[in-house]
Amino acid sequence: DIQMTQSPSSLSASVGDRVTITCRASQGINNYIAWFQQKPGKAPKSLIYAASSLQSGVPSKFSGSGSGTDFTLTISSLQPEDFATYYCQQYNVYPLTFGGGTKVEIK
Amino acid sequence: EVQLVESGGGLVQPGGSLRLSCAASGFTFSSYWMHWVRQAPGKGLVWVSRINGDGRSTNYADSVKGRFTISRDNAKNTLYLQMNSLRAEDTAVYYCARYWAALDYWGQGTPVTVSS
Repeated sequence: DIQMTQSPSSLSASVGDRVTITCRASQGINNYIAWFQQKPGKAPKSLIYAASSLQSGVPSKFSGSGSGTDFTLTISSLQPEDFATYYCQQYNVYPLTFGGGTKVEIK
Repeated sequence: EVQLVESGGGLVQPGGSLRLSCAASGFTFSSYWMHWVRQAPGKGLVWVSRINGDGRSTNYADSVKGRFTISRDNAKNTLYLQMNSLRAEDTAVYYCARYWAALDYWGQGTPVTVSS
């Protein structure tokens, strides 16, 4: 199975900060990586697919980049509604696998 | 508007069975692959299973293979997950999700608790 190593596992940031979350795959995934946001008690919400494509309706403050095995999710200017847990996921091969999550908290 | 609504979760004893349903609306259900993903209390997301549009092709996580069966009824726009031989470690919220260039829409989830 492909392991998705996400870092950091948590971070504290202030409103207006630029935040970067990284995800490393244990092997190449052909840029088939997605990013999700999850708030407590809610279903995950899709943000990014194919490493850098924004899902419809997702604000442009979210961006994804990377290739090969190393990928990043960036939030350009953190807002109160962005405090949540973020997950990466590879969908290149089965079983699909998720990173362990990054909890973004208020500093 | 795309909507996915799960149902069928609940409390079941170890070794028991449960069938989850996911009612889909707002899109042409038969054109999309569908997935189940679960999340144990306080833990991360774990992929469970996937089915293609006509129901003829499926994949499973090793942890559920041989115990869970994914299926769909395109006439009823409904996805199913039949769960047998349930174990305590199957306790989780189960989400159905649509696949179109990744898992783009998710249901609200249905909780399953396996306990005596």
